Amino acid sequence: DAKTTQPTSMDCAEGRAANLPCNHSTISGNEYVYWYRQIHSQGPQYIIHGLKNNETNEMASLIITEDRKSSTLILPHATLRDTAVYYCIVRATSGTYKYIFGTGTRLKVLA
Amino acid sequence: KAGVTQTPRYLIKTRGQQVTLSCSPISGHRSVSWYQQTPGQGLQFLFEYFSETQRNKGNFPGRFSGRQFSNSRSEMNVSTLELGDSALYLCASSLGLAGSDTQYFGPGTRLTVL
Repeated sequence: DAKTTQPTSMDCAEGRAANLPCNHSTISGNEYVYWYRQIHSQGPQYIIHGLKNNETNEMASLIITEDRKSSTLILPHATLRDTAVYYCIVRATSGTYKYIFGTGTRLKVLA
Repeated sequence: KAGVTQTPRYLIKTRGQQVTLSCSPISGHRSVSWYQQTPGQGLQFLFEYFSETQRNKGNFPGRFSGRQFSNSRSEMNVSTLELGDSALYLCASSLGLAGSDTQYFGPGTRLTVL
């Protein structure tokens, strides 16, 4: 299972873009990158996922490097409600569906 | 569409007892996974069920077991509870298909072992 590495914590000013990096240098060709966030003691909330191309939805954008060894989650206009722990997960597309969670990045949005 | 539901939300047990937690997946989802979250170990995979069969298992002792019913609802059981079993137990459901398949998590069951 591919491992991910994320910074332990980050701060972001409210209204500014939050850019959360993730390193997954051992990712395989058939593995997706998923992002979730967890707001204190609630269940993780799905944000976005991608394989090769950049992806965007109503919550965020996901930028995956061409070699797929790293990615960045972008919250375009962070609000106080975006304060949470963000997890980057790499998951195979067949055979196993388990998620291997790392320690995540604790994002604090400052007023 | 209703999300993943877990019951009970909170539970207090004493050492040596056993406990059963329940999870109802999103309608149409056939895969259910369970995770344990503790401050020290973070989020750890317990097991995954698909069409009533355990498809994958994490590195937990045999005291942790689960099952899935024909309607995709799932239960997990922990026998002979230990203090270290105090945790947030999360259930996640997905379609269970190969390829791009997303797990959606429930709110969790907070288990406290005294």
